[in-house]
Amino acid sequence: KNEVEQSPQNLTAQEGEFITINCSYSVGISALHWLQQHPGGGIVSLFMLSSGKKKHGRLIATINIQEKHSSLHITASHPRDSAVYICAGDSNSGYALNFGKGTSLLVTP
Amino acid sequence: EAQVTQNPRYLITVTGKKLTVTCSQNMNHEYMSWYRQDPGLGLRQIYYSMNVEVTDKGDVPEGYKVSRKEKRNFPLILESPSPNQTSLYFCASSPSFQNEQFFGPGTRLTVL
Repeated sequence: KNEVEQSPQNLTAQEGEFITINCSYSVGISALHWLQQHPGGGIVSLFMLSSGKKKHGRLIATINIQEKHSSLHITASHPRDSAVYICAGDSNSGYALNFGKGTSLLVTP
Repeated sequence: EAQVTQNPRYLITVTGKKLTVTCSQNMNHEYMSWYRQDPGLGLRQIYYSMNVEVTDKGDVPEGYKVSRKEKRNFPLILESPSPNQTSLYFCASSPSFQNEQFFGPGTRLTVL
């Protein structure tokens, strides 16, 4: 089973700050997912990446396959970015996903 | 509108009373999956399906059944629910396993 660890567990930032959330995994993967869950519970997929870097608006996701590590960056953070961010890795040998426990982000005005 | 729907959204039931949570997607996706989310444990995969009639266990399949008779539907069946199945359940779908997943709105289940 792929153990997926996220850090930090909780993060408070002021509006405008640059934010980084980290995700590491124990077993080689073919792809890693970043998800966002707002208070109220809905889950939205932000990125799926297998290598390199992806950017969507103020969000950037990077992955280093050799180091088994991925980061999610938020530039110019805003209170509406307050949410739980979850990473999930698949495995090279199956079709299941293993999830980190999530990072709870609060951005204050 | 492209979406994944789940029903019911909220359910309170008693131990041992069989129930089904439905999941339906209108995007012709091949991959569908069920997850449960619990405080402190995060999201965990229950079952997934690569396509019609193809299903497999995730991390926590005990006490659950699924079926995939049609591409659009992937119901989750609890034959004899127990209090430890009280949880928030999400269904998701994607064109294939190697794609981003679309999540349903969630079903909050309480088993007394």
